[in-house]
Parts: sequence; structure tokens; C-alpha cells
Amino acid sequence: AQKVTQAQTEISVVEKEDVTLDCVYETRDTTYYLFWYKQPPSGELVFLIRRNSFDEQNEISGRYSWNFQKSTSSFNFTITASQVVDSAVYFCALSEVYFGNEKLTFGTGTRLTIIP
Amino acid sequence: DSGVTQTPKHLITATGQRVTLRCSPRSGDLSVYWYQQSLDQGLQFLIQYYNGEERAKGNILERFSAQQFPDLHSELNLSSLELGDSALYFCASSISSGLSTDTQYFGPGTRLTVL
Repeated sequence: AQKVTQAQTEISVVEKEDVTLDCVYETRDTTYYLFWYKQPPSGELVFLIRRNSFDEQNEISGRYSWNFQKSTSSFNFTITASQVVDSAVYFCALSEVYFGNEKLTFGTGTRLTIIP
Repeated sequence: DSGVTQTPKHLITATGQRVTLRCSPRSGDLSVYWYQQSLDQGLQFLIQYYNGEERAKGNILERFSAQQFPDLHSELNLSSLELGDSALYFCASSISSGLSTDTQYFGPGTRLTVL
């Protein structure tokens, strides 16, 4: 069975600091997809990134970057020069491609608070 | 704005009642997913519909049912409501190209409160 672990329940950093959110996953499949979503205080889930298991290249998007390491089954998310608007709950999710079942298995989320 | 719409935004009802949550997917998306977010269970997959057909089921209670209509909108029906059903219910949609797991875009959610 697939599982996603986000061990950090809550993180607080001062504005402009860098912060890394950890995500560790378990799956028996060789083909799978990893995602990060952001849930701001308003409650919606906002898509951030999708990565397939065959693409281990790190990705950077502005102040956001992701580090995918299959050897440690991790898909960590770093925010550089954090801002107050980054305060939210961040979810890591895993999807196995299995007979068209594309369900997402979510971690428990990390609540990030950026202190001004 | 993800392009996925959900109504109503908030719903307050009593135990034992039945409610219907509605979702319209993004234009062009064939799959609709329902998820439940609660404090004790986190974000849990309930059910997926693809082009009108049920494709996958998760931890969905027998008191809950869903359907996807020909215009691809979906409804989640919750009956014999219990206090523990209070949660945020999300709908998501994706293209479901069949070639991979496509990105699921989430609606704003319906917050259900059972009193």
C-alpha cells in the first residue's frame, strides 16, 4: 500500500529565511507520481508541482524548489526567502497508476507559519 | 481559480438528514474525484468517476454515494448524517488522458457541519 509521511507537523520561520518541508513516501510500484499542494487559510487546495518517478531532476520555480531522491524515497520542498504569503498548510501526495485509478494519497500536511 | 466549481460553499444540517454536494469540473476534464478532509482522518480519497462511470472507490461509507452526469458534473450524496461526517469535502478534476496520472485541480470545497 502506498503511504506518504510528512513528519514535520508545524514549522515557524522568520520572514526571508529559507525553509524545507520534508516528504517521504512508500510505494511498491516503479511508476508513480508525486505532487505538492498548498492550502492557504482560505481553505482551497492549490496545485504546486507534479513529478513522475522517472524524472529525478530537481525543479525550481521562482522561490520554490523541489528535490526528488528515489534512493531515499523523498520529495522535499524548499522555499527560499520566505514571505508571509507562504503561510499555509502544505501537502505532499502520491499517486500510483493502477488500472486507471488515479487517486491521490496525501500526507498529513505541514503547517508553515512565516513570522513577519 | 482552478476552474472547478463546488456548491454550496457551506452547509449546516442536523443528524439523520441527507444532503447533496455538487461539483462542476474544469472544461475538458473527464474525471471527477471526491475527497474528504477532517481533523482526525486528514485528506481521504472517496471516489472517482470517469466520463460517467465509477472508476475507483476509496474509503467511502455506504451512506455516501456519488454520480457523474452526461454533462460531466458530479454530485455527492450523503445520507443519515452523523456528527462525524462534519468535514470539508473537496471535488477535483483531471483530464485523465490514460497515459499517466494527470494533475488533479481542486475546487474550493464544501464545508459540511452536522449538528
